[in-house]
Amino acid sequence: DAGITQSPRHKVTETGTPVTLRCHQTENHRYMYWYRQDPGHGLRLIHYSYGVKDTDKGEVSDGYSVSRSKTEDFLLTLESATSSQTSVYFCAISDLPPSANYGYTFGSGTRLTVV
Amino acid sequence: SQQGEEDPQALSIQEGENATMNCSYKTSINNLQWYRQNSGRGLVHLILIRSNEREKHSGRLRVTLDTSKKSSSLLITASRAADTASYFCATDDSNYQLIWGAGTKLIIKP
Repeated sequence: DAGITQSPRHKVTETGTPVTLRCHQTENHRYMYWYRQDPGHGLRLIHYSYGVKDTDKGEVSDGYSVSRSKTEDFLLTLESATSSQTSVYFCAISDLPPSANYGYTFGSGTRLTVV
Repeated sequence: SQQGEEDPQALSIQEGENATMNCSYKTSINNLQWYRQNSGRGLVHLILIRSNEREKHSGRLRVTLDTSKKSSSLLITASRAADTASYFCATDDSNYQLIWGAGTKLIIKP
């Protein structure tokens, strides 16, 4: 998707190892979001950022941490991967909050498998 | 927590027919948005309707919003095979977030 890239696209990792997923944007948008998508659950928010070094938890933040040291990058870290974290992870960006009638742009996703 | 709930969960129609899917939500909103997700891909923003709007069009898409019933519908007219996808509604909340429904899976049969 234009202006937002996620890396890696696919990853297989072992239980107990740390994993970092990267979201990179070239749109200079203020807001960035990490979601996971699982069958039957739709999109669930993990963490989000409303500016450099400004982050907050979403509804499924346990076991995850994030960092945003510059506008363009939002990193998601699984501190010690578990099989329950096998999922597809999506990053989204937005220039304004949704209440300002602004939509999100999504990345293509990272498929993570924890074995 | 999910704010929006789409209905039906799955819909299969013939190419050329119209597809209608519905979304209900629970709290007051500033806007409601619809997104499409093709298999294995990220979500794509389709259309946004503000709380003071009742109907909005974009190409073959028509969205209605009834704030008294806290519901919205997405109509896709003259469906095509390329419309096969999952469709999600989302509403804003006060914490810089969108709240998502579980989606409607639409299959267009040739």
